[in-house]
Amino acid sequence: QSPLTQPPSVSGAPGQRVIISCTGTTSNIGVGYAVHWYQQLPGKAPKLLIHDNANRPSGVPDRFSGSKSDTSASLAITGLQAEDEGDYYCQSYDNDLSAWVFGGGTKLTVL
Amino acid sequence: QVQLVESGGGVVQPGRSLRLSCAASGFTFSSYAMNWVRQAPGKGLEWVAHIWYDGSKTYYEDSVKGRFTISRDSFKKMLYLEMTSLRAEDTAIYYCARVVGAYSNYFDLWGQGTLVTVSS
Repeated sequence: QSPLTQPPSVSGAPGQRVIISCTGTTSNIGVGYAVHWYQQLPGKAPKLLIHDNANRPSGVPDRFSGSKSDTSASLAITGLQAEDEGDYYCQSYDNDLSAWVFGGGTKLTVL
Repeated sequence: QVQLVESGGGVVQPGRSLRLSCAASGFTFSSYAMNWVRQAPGKGLEWVAHIWYDGSKTYYEDSVKGRFTISRDSFKKMLYLEMTSLRAEDTAIYYCARVVGAYSNYFDLWGQGTLVTVSS
């Protein structure tokens, strides 16, 4: 059971906006560790999407944005496209576990 | 080209051993900490092991402590994961990943993964 909780699935129509939440605790996000997000397209390796809560690596479209507040974080995707369909994971560090931790993942379906 | 390429996966019987390798290219390997992350079939990502940029410190997920050993050869630009006493629950795709970030580490470069299947 991961200390980072994500909804199992979200969906939206092309062009719409979706938000994926990542809820942590006072031993990870709440103690100040940043949240990072990864995109995993079907059959592919994970790819860094957002780092340090809200920063996009070079090449990531600005349709993807991140935010963090207290013990939770969110990934927003605007202007949904069919190629966004896949799994999205949040990641942080947990003091109690002394481990890098991932959320359980959220499957994004573009209707 | 900046990349990580894993190898060494395969089918292995429970209780046996296997060594995974990860070849780094296109960047100064000796400057980066490295991780192994795994993904069981149909499941999410799970951090497995971490090694400092100079190999001086290593950290492990609880379920693999005492069974897995992460190591590196910076001259050869190689990362390794020695896995012993393998269990069915170790079946997964194993990814090597480059670690960045001063306080809150994240993984900015991933390999394509290598599949390990533990089965009799």
